Amino acid sequence: DAGVTQSPTHLIKTRGQQVTLRCSPKSGHDTVSWYQQALGQGPQFIFQYYEEEERQRGNFPDRFSGHQFPNYSSELNVNALLLGDSALYLCASSLEDGPPYFGSGTRLTVV
Amino acid sequence: DAKTTQPPSMDCAEGRAANLPCNHSTISGNEYVYWYRQIHSQGPQYIIHGLKNNETNEMASLIITEDRKSSTLILPHATLRDTAVYYCIVRVSTNYGGSQGNLIFGKGTKLSVKP
Repeated sequence: DAGVTQSPTHLIKTRGQQVTLRCSPKSGHDTVSWYQQALGQGPQFIFQYYEEEERQRGNFPDRFSGHQFPNYSSELNVNALLLGDSALYLCASSLEDGPPYFGSGTRLTVV
Repeated sequence: DAKTTQPPSMDCAEGRAANLPCNHSTISGNEYVYWYRQIHSQGPQYIIHGLKNNETNEMASLIITEDRKSSTLILPHATLRDTAVYYCIVRVSTNYGGSQGNLIFGKGTKLSVKP
């Protein structure tokens, strides 16, 4: 049973560019959440998707947007990249009231 | 802000039990306590969660005080591979009736298991 998979594992972008990160949830899971983890900090919640709708959102600007597809996979889009957006981006999936399971993350470096 | 308080670091001898404390004095009646751990540069790994009863699984035990204001994660026989940052999290309730609230991470406890 594959767990949560994220792609790509690493990428480097230039300030002002746009980036799309992808996540496939654990089999059977219907809810996907995204987190940002800066170096030395705990993960911070960005938003959560359920039934293709954004259900909850953390304190992140509108530059951060997402999408969930009918197969429950999800994308995180970040526009107008800033140096401060450099971080590990984590996707977590869950089912109903069950615990979220995390992927290994995408390491984004903005130069 | 995180609703939990944990010591920043702890040491444990290999083979001994590791007891990681967590304070969550403002926890609400329908909020669960979750524990995750994160090994350097990997995604957080789910360990265990509970509401008010003690819980045990193949990885660890979770002891929650009767007033639910604190809890302890117990790794019964720590190994070098248990060296990680351990996060105690109160999972917030939601405004749509479910308990699938987001996880609010604090700084966690860096556990070092030494030979």
